[in-house]
Amino acid sequence: AQKVTQAQTEISVVEKEDVTLDCVYETRDTTYYLFWYKQPPSGELVFLIRRNSFDEQNEISGRYSWNFQKSTSSFNFTITASQVVDSAVYFCALSENRSGTYKYIFGTGTRLKVLA
Amino acid sequence: DAMVIQNPRYQVTQFGKPVTLSCSQTLNHNVMYWYQQKSSQAPKLLFHYYDKDFNNEADTPDNFQSRRPNTSFCFLDIRSPGLGDAAMYLCATSRPPGVGGETQYFGPGTRLLVL
Repeated sequence: AQKVTQAQTEISVVEKEDVTLDCVYETRDTTYYLFWYKQPPSGELVFLIRRNSFDEQNEISGRYSWNFQKSTSSFNFTITASQVVDSAVYFCALSENRSGTYKYIFGTGTRLKVLA
Repeated sequence: DAMVIQNPRYQVTQFGKPVTLSCSQTLNHNVMYWYQQKSSQAPKLLFHYYDKDFNNEADTPDNFQSRRPNTSFCFLDIRSPGLGDAAMYLCATSRPPGVGGETQYFGPGTRLLVL
């Protein structure tokens, strides 16, 4: 069965600390896509990154970096030198083609609190 | 240059009083989705349209309906809102499968309060 697990319900860090959000997925497919979204208190889901199953290169974007490892079915997200503005709920999602349309399977989210 | 627009951002309705939420997009995407998100939970897909083809999730209550009069607009109708329908409702769009359809673009959401 397809599943996304974000085992960390809530994480609190002090500003400038590094923090890693974990994501583990299960899928039958060989072709799939993984995403991270940020949801600030305003509620909008902000797209952060997309990774396809054939591209295991890690990616860095400013203070954000992502580590995709197919061997462990993980797609972890690290924020370096965290800031208060990083406080939000972060969702990991798996996108698969089902009956001709892609659907998302979301993890339960990790609430990140960055304290000043 | 807003791409997926939802109106209103906040909606208050009364128990049992029909309510309609709207979503519009400037991306010309073929697929539009409606999600319900309750507090501290992940978004839950209610249904989606691929062009005019409507696809209901198996566990979406009959109380929820949707209309898509054209490519740009999609509406969520809640026929008789109950207290349990209070939630954030998110609209999303995507291209068809094979041309980037794996990525969904979300609107800002509408928070529904049922009194």
